[in-house]
Amino acid sequence: EVQLVQSGAEVKKPGESLKISCKGSGYSFTNYWIGWVRQMPGKGLEWMGIIYPDDSDTRYSPSFQGQVTISADKSISTAYLQWSSLKASDTAMYYCARRGGLGSPIDYWGQGTLVTVSS
Amino acid sequence: DIQMTQSPSSLSASVGDRVTITCRASQGISNYLAWYQQKPGKVPKLLIYTASTLQSGVPSRFSGSGSGTDFTLTISSLQPEDVATYYCQKYNSAPFTFGPGTKVDIK
Repeated sequence: EVQLVQSGAEVKKPGESLKISCKGSGYSFTNYWIGWVRQMPGKGLEWMGIIYPDDSDTRYSPSFQGQVTISADKSISTAYLQWSSLKASDTAMYYCARRGGLGSPIDYWGQGTLVTVSS
Repeated sequence: DIQMTQSPSSLSASVGDRVTITCRASQGISNYLAWYQQKPGKVPKLLIYTASTLQSGVPSRFSGSGSGTDFTLTISSLQPEDVATYYCQKYNSAPFTFGPGTKVDIK
């Protein structure tokens, strides 16, 4: 069974750094793109970027380029989303999601990680 | 980058009604268009891909059509469990932009 299990909720202060994780299981982690999606409170889905764990080829949405870093450690089947300096506007639910192969859409989602940034 | 729009932004319909949601891409994306359903407080769920292919397990009252720039999601007979927000997404090439969503509820 394909599963994407994300790290737990975080409460941070503005200016702090953060790295959240997404561990894949039940499939060949290196052979499927993993993306990250932001959902701010009461708002829609925003595609942030995507990584191919086998070679760490990464593509960012222009809106998120330079704002976050997406990475992966294929040895432990885990993808990451990190911030170097959080802002209150980063408060949101973050989902990781697997792209189902070349030319395919997202087919599996993680359960989401709620990040709250507040002083 | 290609922009995705949806209309309407929200709708209210009666149980049994036929509901149609439209998604438009600012440039052609062939049929690389997916529809997702997100119920309140839940993870999004894939309903349709390649514009018209129903994901396994999705009720047959859902259908999709379109190609190029204009796409539709149709619910043939709205059920109470269909209350959700529906998003389209392009996935021909990065960025895999989502539409802004259409919120569907029961009148």
